[in-house]
Amino acid sequence: AQRVTQPEKLLSVFKGAPVELKCNYSYSGSPELFWYVQYSRQRLQLLLRHISRESIKGFTADLNKGETSFHLKKPFAQEEDSAMYYCAPIGPSYLVIGTSYGKLTFGQGTILTVHP
Amino acid sequence: NAGVMQNPRHLVRRRGQEARLRCSPMKGHSHVYWYRQLPEEGLKFMVYLQKENIIDESGMPKERFSAEFPKEGPSILRIQQVVRGDSAAYFCASSPPTSGSIPEQFFGPGTRLTVL
Repeated sequence: AQRVTQPEKLLSVFKGAPVELKCNYSYSGSPELFWYVQYSRQRLQLLLRHISRESIKGFTADLNKGETSFHLKKPFAQEEDSAMYYCAPIGPSYLVIGTSYGKLTFGQGTILTVHP
Repeated sequence: NAGVMQNPRHLVRRRGQEARLRCSPMKGHSHVYWYRQLPEEGLKFMVYLQKENIIDESGMPKERFSAEFPKEGPSILRIQQVVRGDSAAYFCASSPPTSGSIPEQFFGPGTRLTVL
């Protein structure tokens, strides 16, 4: 079965400190991985996806196939980064009626609190 | 673009009643996903629909749950004869059609169902 583990339910850091939110997955094949974020009183939104290799709001995430991990990192945390973060692999992907789709599998989430 | 709309935001039902949850996708999106988040858990995929078609319902409970996405109007997730275990947050996401890479899913604010 496909599984996602985010071992830390709560993570607290001080402003300016580095932060790493851990994510390990158990998947067959080659999943595509996403990080979603939910700020207070806002809806869930995509933060980044591994195939784009972008840095969004200073966050990066590297896919390590050997360790089956996709940890989210930021060198200097800001107070506005406080939110709930979900790691979400998608896979396998399907092509049905000429269109692609995939089912997201979410981890339990990590609540990040950045203190001033 | 108002984003994905869900209503109601909060729904209270007594055991045995029916619950109807509505989702209007973003403009231009013809694909809808439903996810359920039980307390202390991550979101779990339930069903994927395109207009007038159920494409993948592998995450739907076998009984009492059904979903539709008619040609006109919102997608509806229907739960018949609700039980306390159905209490959860139900999220809808929509995506545009694409035959290339897996499209981003845009999430609604969710409907919180409470069964008394």
